[in-house]
Amino acid sequence: AQKVTQAQTEISVVEKEDVTLDCVYETRDTTYYLFWYKQPPSGELVFLIRRNSFDEQNEISGRYSWNFQKSTSSFNFTITASQVVDSAVYFCALSEARGGATNKLIFGTGTLLAVQP
Amino acid sequence: DAGITQSPRHKVTETGTPVTLRCHQTENHRYMYWYRQDPGHGLRLIHYSYGVKDTDKGEVSDGYSVSRSKTEDFLLTLESATSSQTSVYFCAISAPDRGSYEQYFGPGTRLTVT
Repeated sequence: AQKVTQAQTEISVVEKEDVTLDCVYETRDTTYYLFWYKQPPSGELVFLIRRNSFDEQNEISGRYSWNFQKSTSSFNFTITASQVVDSAVYFCALSEARGGATNKLIFGTGTLLAVQP
Repeated sequence: DAGITQSPRHKVTETGTPVTLRCHQTENHRYMYWYRQDPGHGLRLIHYSYGVKDTDKGEVSDGYSVSRSKTEDFLLTLESATSSQTSVYFCAISAPDRGSYEQYFGPGTRLTVT
């Protein structure tokens, strides 16, 4: 069965600190997709990134970076020089990618990040 | 932003009454999904649709039904609402048939069953 674990329930940092959000997944599929979503206090879900299982290249987008390691089944998310606007709940998710698959997402329970000024 | 709307955005209803939530998209995406979000559980899939009149159950489908008579609309019905169905409901769309595997979410509906 597929499963996503976000062991950090809440993290509190001071502005300008770097912070890493952990995500560990389980799947028997050899081909799959991993995602990160952001849910700010306003409640909407914002798509941040998709990573394919066959592409282990790390990605950087501004202050955001993602580290994908198949060997440890992890897809961690780092925010560099955090800002108050980064305060949100962050969800990691997994979906199958077989041909004809329905693309159902399995979500972790989320990590609440609080960035203090 | 993806064109996804949900209605109503907030609803309070009594136990035992039927409730229908609507999701409307303007992206012509084939796949649509209903999730519920509860503290400590993240988001869990209720039902999904892979085309007009094509639907299937998700992880937490008991007590819910869905219908999709048009590409743009996906309805979620609580046959007889219970307090355990108090939750925030999110609709999502995706187009894996076009190689687009990320899901885009609507703004959510907060449902309270008293």
